[in-house]
Amino acid sequence: GAGVSQSPSNKVTEKGKDVELRCDPISGHTALYWYRQRLGQGLEFLIYFQGNSAPDKSGLPSDRFSAERTGESVSTLTIQRTQQEDSAVYLCASSLSLAQHNEQFFGPGTRLTVL
Amino acid sequence: DQQVKQNSPSLSVQEGRISILNCDYTNSMFDYFLWYKKYPAEGPTFLISISSIKDKNEDGRFTVFLNKSAKHLSLHIVPSQPGDSAVYFCAASAIDGNKLVFGAGTILRVKS
Repeated sequence: GAGVSQSPSNKVTEKGKDVELRCDPISGHTALYWYRQRLGQGLEFLIYFQGNSAPDKSGLPSDRFSAERTGESVSTLTIQRTQQEDSAVYLCASSLSLAQHNEQFFGPGTRLTVL
Repeated sequence: DQQVKQNSPSLSVQEGRISILNCDYTNSMFDYFLWYKKYPAEGPTFLISISSIKDKNEDGRFTVFLNKSAKHLSLHIVPSQPGDSAVYFCAASAIDGNKLVFGAGTILRVKS
């Protein structure tokens, strides 16, 4: 079946604009995660969703970042008033559940460039 | 504060030889460790994992070793193949959490 998909693959925006990134998880996966990878750094956890439970937003770097998920399907990550330091690859992953040993399957990422 | 560190940004190995990628961690609450492999323009893919109750896990050409006292793990690939050329990320999670904490990655180049 299809893997995790993300759109757009690339996004260039001007400082101060809002952007919305989309993630389609693998069908049947109840857990969904957002990470970002800035240049030369490892993946940094942002947020995860599990079913109808309250999301864990502990990794969001500021209140300009927010994310939503509709049921157990699509998720959108929104960055308001983008700053140059938001430039990164934003990766989405999904897994069968939040159980620790469940493999997380990653999408190809969205490369965000803020000019 | 980097909880997972991969101190070698890159590694170059001859085809057929062993590749050894290293990873250190600082958080003693981590009890599950993973290696992911990433090709350009693709997301990371799971390679191999190890629980803290073990010190070795082997899967084909890939073996992960865990030294809990030193808070160190390593990935051995033998024999290395050109198709193994990729970025390798070490990751860890704690028993009470579901977030993966990643290292910065090591670029492996296998020369033919």
